[in-house]
Amino acid sequence: GQNIDQPTEMTATEGAIVQINCTYQTSGFNGLFWYQQHAGEAPTFLSYNVLDGLEEKGRFSSFLSRSKGYSYLLLKELQMKDSASYLCAVLADSWGKLQFGSGTQVVVTP
Amino acid sequence: SQTIHQWPATLVQPVGSPLSLECTVEGTSNPNLYWYRQAAGRGLQLLFYSVGIGQISSEVPQNLSASRPQDRQFILSSKKLLLSDSGFYLCAWSVPDTDTQYFGPGTRLTVL
Repeated sequence: GQNIDQPTEMTATEGAIVQINCTYQTSGFNGLFWYQQHAGEAPTFLSYNVLDGLEEKGRFSSFLSRSKGYSYLLLKELQMKDSASYLCAVLADSWGKLQFGSGTQVVVTP
Repeated sequence: SQTIHQWPATLVQPVGSPLSLECTVEGTSNPNLYWYRQAAGRGLQLLFYSVGIGQISSEVPQNLSASRPQDRQFILSSKKLLLSDSGFYLCAWSVPDTDTQYFGPGTRLTVL
């Protein structure tokens, strides 16, 4: 079956670093996405990893290990506006179909 | 630049009534189009995807159907809504042969 796991909630202080882990077991793998979703809004694209290693984009970085079925999203220098749900999604085939985890709610406190 | 529109933004419908949600994309040709549903506190579930006019694939058996009458228009329908159809419906698009999907603003549907 298909399984994508991520923690339900994480809390961190403004200015700190938070790492959101995602593990997956899918029938196929063509890449892994991270999206940010603020409450009541649509998801917005953050990052895409298809090869092993770290991709850095400003305060956000994403890591992938295909052999371990593991990814993480690293948020540095947390700001209050980073309070949101972070969705891990696996591209499991060549048709562009994404399978999403249930999301990790990140709460940033002053 | 590309933009994606969905309407209506919110909808409250009685059980047994019909449904039509519309999604249109501007600024790109022959996009791949997707319908997702997000139930409260849950992840996104892919409902339908389309790689061209009239070409629809369904991911899960359900009370809903989809159509693509024009290249950049994607419609989600139901003849009779169920309580379990409540949720946040999101349309997404991608450029063929690339993988990143971009989401529309969504329609929040409440079935009473």
